[in-house]
Amino acid sequence: DGGITQSPKYLFRKEGQNVTLSCEQNLNHDAMYWYRQDPGQGLRLIYYSQIVNDFQKGDIAEGYSVSREKKESFPLTVTSAQKNPTAFYLCASSRTPWGYTFGSGTRLTVV
Amino acid sequence: DQQVKQNSPSLSVQEGRISILNCDYTNSMFDYFLWYKKYPAEGPTFLISISSIKDKNEDGRFTVFLNKSAKHLSLHIVPSQPGDSAVYFCAASARDNAGNMLTFGGGTRLMVKP
Repeated sequence: DGGITQSPKYLFRKEGQNVTLSCEQNLNHDAMYWYRQDPGQGLRLIYYSQIVNDFQKGDIAEGYSVSREKKESFPLTVTSAQKNPTAFYLCASSRTPWGYTFGSGTRLTVV
Repeated sequence: DQQVKQNSPSLSVQEGRISILNCDYTNSMFDYFLWYKKYPAEGPTFLISISSIKDKNEDGRFTVFLNKSAKHLSLHIVPSQPGDSAVYFCAASARDNAGNMLTFGGGTRLMVKP
């Protein structure tokens, strides 16, 4: 059953720590994306990748890093440079130009 | 500058009545529009879409209308059901947009009261 999997569902980070959010898809999609959603806010693009070994910054890339070593995987690292990391993070993938498939999200909380 | 706007952050409707969610866009290059539905702590799921060559697309209780001259689209849900209570995101794409990028609106929270 094809889909896109994000893990973990909940993640807690201490101040000054880097954490990595996992995103894996078995849909054979070329493009993958990371979005952030804050309470009462829309979806803001962090990074996206159209092809393996290539990725581009989105609107709010500061304090984040990504890699795309495999077509199936697009992990997001939230670094200590991200000053307000508490949010709901969504990963998505697409093949056609006409829509995304989203994962179920990871809620990151700074403690 | 927001290219896709949903000016109503929330909407409350009685069960069985019509829900109308609105979306405005500014980029005239957008030619494909989608609506996504999102429950709390879950990822958005695709609901319905429309191409700019059409002005209406219907799928069961859901109908999307597109007014290109006004750069406005709306989602109609008839009849509304309590299970429709969720956040609805409007999204737009341009044919020549590299990377299959979607631009999202800020979302509208729909509450359907029994």
